[in-house]
Amino acid sequence: AQSVTQLGSHVSVSEGALVLLRCNYSSSVPPYLFWYVQYPNQGLQLLLKYTSAATLVKGINGFEAEFKKSETSFHLTKPSAHMSDAAEYFCAVSARITGANSKLTFGKGITLSVRP
Amino acid sequence: ETGVTQSPTHLIKTRGQQVTLRCSSQSGHNTVSWYQQALGQGPQFIFQYYREEENGRGNFPPRFSGLQFPNYSSELNVNALELDDSALYLCASSFRLAGVRGYEQYFGPGTRLTVT
Repeated sequence: AQSVTQLGSHVSVSEGALVLLRCNYSSSVPPYLFWYVQYPNQGLQLLLKYTSAATLVKGINGFEAEFKKSETSFHLTKPSAHMSDAAEYFCAVSARITGANSKLTFGKGITLSVRP
Repeated sequence: ETGVTQSPTHLIKTRGQQVTLRCSSQSGHNTVSWYQQALGQGPQFIFQYYREEENGRGNFPPRFSGLQFPNYSSELNVNALELDDSALYLCASSFRLAGVRGYEQYFGPGTRLTVT
């Protein structure tokens, strides 16, 4: 079984400040981990993914995340927030085993607001 | 390269009615997954289709059913609609090669279903 916990439903930062969105996962098998972003009235866009290669993963729009197995975490960061980063962010996990389906289990999401 | 498309964009139905939602996979993808996203929540896995067969199902009742066609497009059917079925329904496509599981899913814009 797999699950994702995203602490806090809303994060507010000033433009130019560090963005940190937390994600902890639980998985009985080795995981793939993902961060998706959702803008209002749109589908999900993949920001980045962990697939067992490098533990520090770089994604689009300046975001990156670090896989820490000992902490079962996959926190998302961006050094300097931009107004266009305001959106809903979802962390997701799937099972990294041959033969399993690739279903994603999502967290509840975090709304990121960016203040001018 | 054509992305994932879904139709219709919005739909309003009455409790007890039936609805069919459609999804066209991204070019080259052979696996389709459907997710339900209730307001303020993360997406929940409904089921996945691979080579026209169901390949995993989430915790949804049998009145949620699906099809995948030879061209890898897909339908989600919901019978006996309930008020709680009101949600954004997301389709995601991915590529799976025999013995190697596809793990990256690309989402469509979703269909917003309102049940009154």
